[in-house]
Amino acid sequence: QSALTQPASVSGSPGQSITISCTGTSSDVGSYNLVSWYQQYPGKAPKLMIFEGNKRPSGVSNRFSGSKSGNTAALTISGLQAEDEAEYYCCSYAGSSTYAIFGGGTKLTVL
Amino acid sequence: EVQLVESGGGLIQPGGSLRLSCAVSEFTVSSNYMSWVRQAPGKGLEWVSVIYSGGATSYADSVKGRFTISRDNSKNTLYLQMNSLRAEDTAVYYCAGASAAVGYNGMDVWGQGTTVTVSS
Repeated sequence: QSALTQPASVSGSPGQSITISCTGTSSDVGSYNLVSWYQQYPGKAPKLMIFEGNKRPSGVSNRFSGSKSGNTAALTISGLQAEDEAEYYCCSYAGSSTYAIFGGGTKLTVL
Repeated sequence: EVQLVESGGGLIQPGGSLRLSCAVSEFTVSSNYMSWVRQAPGKGLEWVSVIYSGGATSYADSVKGRFTISRDNSKNTLYLQMNSLRAEDTAVYYCAGASAAVGYNGMDVWGQGTTVTVSS
């Protein structure tokens, strides 16, 4: 049950697009199209932004999108806004005995 | 409005036990997948345990054999019994639910968290 690998930080200017990668293995990300992404502000609970790899829950902006290739998933945020500055975590299903494996988190800074 | 309210956290000595509760409203615990997720100070999220709608459970290796997840359907409440606590169990503990709206494949409802500190 090793954590998924995310970059520690990414940054972008308002209006730009950024992509956060999430690398797992053939036992988790690579085996299932069940990657989810969470946004977390300091001191607050996480919020689901993407589920099943590329689906958005009701109410989440269409500026957020997800994708996957092989063992690596990605979250893309387009048209960056100041309010997007937060920590982002990927998460993957990894079988019946391991419901969820999180990535280490990526701090997004909007310059 | 869906609400998940955790309680039961606090300061506990190593080797001690604690039971966390998560009282849920407007979201049926027994019909959804309910998890505990923790976050150590300054660290990332770590999934701890899940109880599926059918009652089956699963645990992270780090807590297997020490923690037990359960629910009381009549009270619509989720629990986490934590035994043999260690310093590395110090964290904010969140309860979270995965609903049919997201195909049970994402935790779409969260509580505000309760803090557990394991220290002598």
